[in-house]
Amino acid sequence: DGGITQSPKYLFRKEGQNVTLSCEQNLNHDAMYWYRQDPGQGLRLIYYSQIVNDFQKGDIAEGYSVSREKKESFPLTVTSAQKNPTAFYLCASKTQLDQPQHFGDGTRLSIL
Amino acid sequence: EDKVVQSPLSLVVHEGDTVTLNCSYEVTNFRSLLWYKQEKKAPTFLFMLTSSGIEKKSGRLSSILDKKELFSILNITATQTGDSAVYLCAVFGRGYSTLTFGKGTMLLVSP
Repeated sequence: DGGITQSPKYLFRKEGQNVTLSCEQNLNHDAMYWYRQDPGQGLRLIYYSQIVNDFQKGDIAEGYSVSREKKESFPLTVTSAQKNPTAFYLCASKTQLDQPQHFGDGTRLSIL
Repeated sequence: EDKVVQSPLSLVVHEGDTVTLNCSYEVTNFRSLLWYKQEKKAPTFLFMLTSSGIEKKSGRLSSILDKKELFSILNITATQTGDSAVYLCAVFGRGYSTLTFGKGTMLLVSP
């Protein structure tokens, strides 16, 4: 089945540690996105990529980094510079046409 | 800065009631407005609205866009407990590359 797979579902981070969240899609979509969702809040854009080897900062990129070496994959690293990383992280993808974004099931990140 | 405001932020209704959720927006270069339903995990796509005044319908859910007044409504008739979820409104501005989301409306349908 085509879809977006995020892993792991739950992740714990220690102080000073970088962690990487995985996002893989087999929908052949060109564009991929990372969002952060806090309780009672909507989705806020962290980074997005419209093509392999290119990505742009979203509204809250500080403390995060991404790479887009393959069309199917868009991993997000939460660095130790992100002081409040506890949140629900959602990955999405879409074609370049005027189509809706499709979402993965998310990764819940907590601080130990 | 693009802005999307949803109201109410939360709502409790009884099964069988009809509900109307609101979404207003201020977006540079508006292209389209989307509604998503989020239960526990991934938001699932409901509607994409591009033209004013044309109602989109799917079962008991319907939505319409008013580009002059810059808002959209999502109606759910004969609500069921399975409709309990967060409903997210989002807008494509700045071309079709990124979405700006509202904070969502949390709907609880009690039996």
